[in-house]
Amino acid sequence: GQQLNQSPQSMFIQEGEDVSMNCTSSSIFNTWLWYKQEPGEGPVLLIALYKAGELTSNGRLTAQFGITRKDSFLNISASIPSDVGIYFCAGLGGSQGNLIFGKGTKLSVKP
Amino acid sequence: DSGVTQTPKHLITATGQRVTLRCSPRSGDLSVYWYQQSLDQGLQFLIQYYNGEERAKGNILERFSAQQFPDLHSELNLSSLELGDSALYFCASSHPPPLLAGGGLVGELFFGEGSRLTVL
Repeated sequence: GQQLNQSPQSMFIQEGEDVSMNCTSSSIFNTWLWYKQEPGEGPVLLIALYKAGELTSNGRLTAQFGITRKDSFLNISASIPSDVGIYFCAGLGGSQGNLIFGKGTKLSVKP
Repeated sequence: DSGVTQTPKHLITATGQRVTLRCSPRSGDLSVYWYQQSLDQGLQFLIQYYNGEERAKGNILERFSAQQFPDLHSELNLSSLELGDSALYFCASSHPPPLLAGGGLVGELFFGEGSRLTVL
């Protein structure tokens, strides 16, 4: 079945640093989504991408839909302690039309 | 607050038992999705319902079943529980089914806070 490879698995950074994470797949997706999950809560949508090549920002977050439709990246600029959490990429496409999630990138920010 | 309500928040039970997890979607949302999140794992899609009908199935075990009722709330039934079934179970809802919607809402799921199941 379709799988998403998300990297890195975890990141430990200093407050103020920029962060970059990405997702790749052998399959083509029509939509890429980035979610953030904080402890004890469900994932919350951060950014949605609907067109190949699309670059979208949400505050300090920027995400891009790869031109091949097989990858996406998420950047966080000037990280702050509240950025801590697990970031999931998700792709929508294929015959079932369901969201396929990556395994997540766990972000830790040191003040 | 996503508007999706899941109960119970925590559940501890023994192997072999059966439990039911409940989900109330956001007001007006017709689609309900169930996901399983095990330790160090991503979100595994289990099943989707749209307006009372099963829409898609993922990696759902035969011991698990679900349904969506006329008032659009959904229940996930887990039976003959095993230790490995311990996980967070998330419900998510969306208004249109992803394949039929156009524009910005395609694929936008709103997640509940999850039900943490512990099987001892």
